[in-house]
Amino acid sequence: GESVGLHLPTLSVQEGDNSIINCAYSNSASDYFIWYKQESGKGPQFIIDIRSNMDKRQGQRVTVLLNKTVKHLSLQIAATQPGDSAVYFCAELTQGGSEKLVFGKGTKLTVNP
Amino acid sequence: NAGVMQNPRHLVRRRGQEARLRCSPMKGHSHVYWYRQLPEEGLKFMVYLQKENIIDESGMPKERFSAEFPKEGPSILRIQQVVRGDSAAYFCASSPGLAGVEETQYFGPGTRLLVL
Repeated sequence: GESVGLHLPTLSVQEGDNSIINCAYSNSASDYFIWYKQESGKGPQFIIDIRSNMDKRQGQRVTVLLNKTVKHLSLQIAATQPGDSAVYFCAELTQGGSEKLVFGKGTKLTVNP
Repeated sequence: NAGVMQNPRHLVRRRGQEARLRCSPMKGHSHVYWYRQLPEEGLKFMVYLQKENIIDESGMPKERFSAEFPKEGPSILRIQQVVRGDSAAYFCASSPGLAGVEETQYFGPGTRLLVL
């Protein structure tokens, strides 16, 4: 079965607010995680990644937090904008030779003006 | 610097026909991955290829589906005798292929297959 899942299927925020999207994973051996953004009709777009030897990584307006103790990943988006409206997926890279990504179902973020 | 390219973007087939989906990786990338996405769901891994080699096809259905990544030209995902359940978005991703390093996979725009 899937080893990556998301707590909430939808999230609605006001423009300018901060957004937090959560993800749980079950494979403790995984050591690389990626957040993707997918707009309607498009392919997944890389946002940010993190390796298991880190617990936090920051990008432009986005921060990813990794808690290996509880196997939890989150994506924080600061000052959310209407252009951030999309489905967000966390993905886990399996170890052991094959480089296949395991995706969660996704969280749909809606930003209200 | 062109990204991952896929064609066609939309493909309509009748049951029993063949579907051929093409993927050109990013320049300099030697690893290609195919994923399938059903509506309202995440992407599911199908196959991982390097030039002229299938590395992992654990996500491929045992029948009717095949993939290749020849020495020259794009990677091809081929679905023979399509059925309605094959209707989905098929995404290709590529990565550089650096040994011993976990790599970000960059995705193409996808091919949306509709089987009538």
